[in-house]
Amino acid sequence: EIQLQESGPGLVKPSQSLSLTCSVTGYTITSGYDWSWIRKFPGNKMEWMGYISYSGSTNYNPSLKSRISITRDTSKNQFFLQLNSVTTEDTATYYCAPGSYFDYWGQGVMVTVSS
Amino acid sequence: DVVLTQTPPTLSATIGQSVSISCRSSQSLLHSNGNTYLHWLLQRPGQSPQLLIYSVSRLESGVPNRFSGSGSGTDFTLKISGVEAEDLGVYYCVQGTHAPTFGAGTKLELK
Repeated sequence: EIQLQESGPGLVKPSQSLSLTCSVTGYTITSGYDWSWIRKFPGNKMEWMGYISYSGSTNYNPSLKSRISITRDTSKNQFFLQLNSVTTEDTATYYCAPGSYFDYWGQGVMVTVSS
Repeated sequence: DVVLTQTPPTLSATIGQSVSISCRSSQSLLHSNGNTYLHWLLQRPGQSPQLLIYSVSRLESGVPNRFSGSGSGTDFTLKISGVEAEDLGVYYCVQGTHAPTFGAGTKLELK
């Protein structure tokens, strides 16, 4: 069974970069799937941020395209999110998830953007 | 962007009541490969989202059969036939046919 674990700092200052890691067990990220980052804002709004495919190509939400980068370390079976120039509007719980069916989710990491 | 309009935003139900949630898409969700990537998730308080229904009507393994999904093209419905206490939380439709987007969520509460 695929298991995902998000990690990273829970507090980021405005204008800085947010960096998160998704560690995957039970499946090799180069074997298949698009590996996504998704966030849930305070309230109920959910937003897909982008993915890195099993082949290494990326696809980003156009609303974030100038600020986002998703990379990976295949030797560690991890993929990463970097979001630049954050504002308080980026305060959210961040999740990683594979595929187009959203059948596996990490536990999420809450990130607050505040000075 | 594909916009998913999910209604109602809040649903109050008694135990045993049957309820439905609607999800309308601004574009057809029928993929060129013949699949329709419209799914339903439940996020219980303090938990990660959980897949309930995938590809419109297919019940995820381990999900009770009181949950059912229907629809095609741009109009989709999730039905719960006999709400139980463990069903409380926020329901989302999500599409993966195009760049993924989520509905705004429907909060199911006890009346």
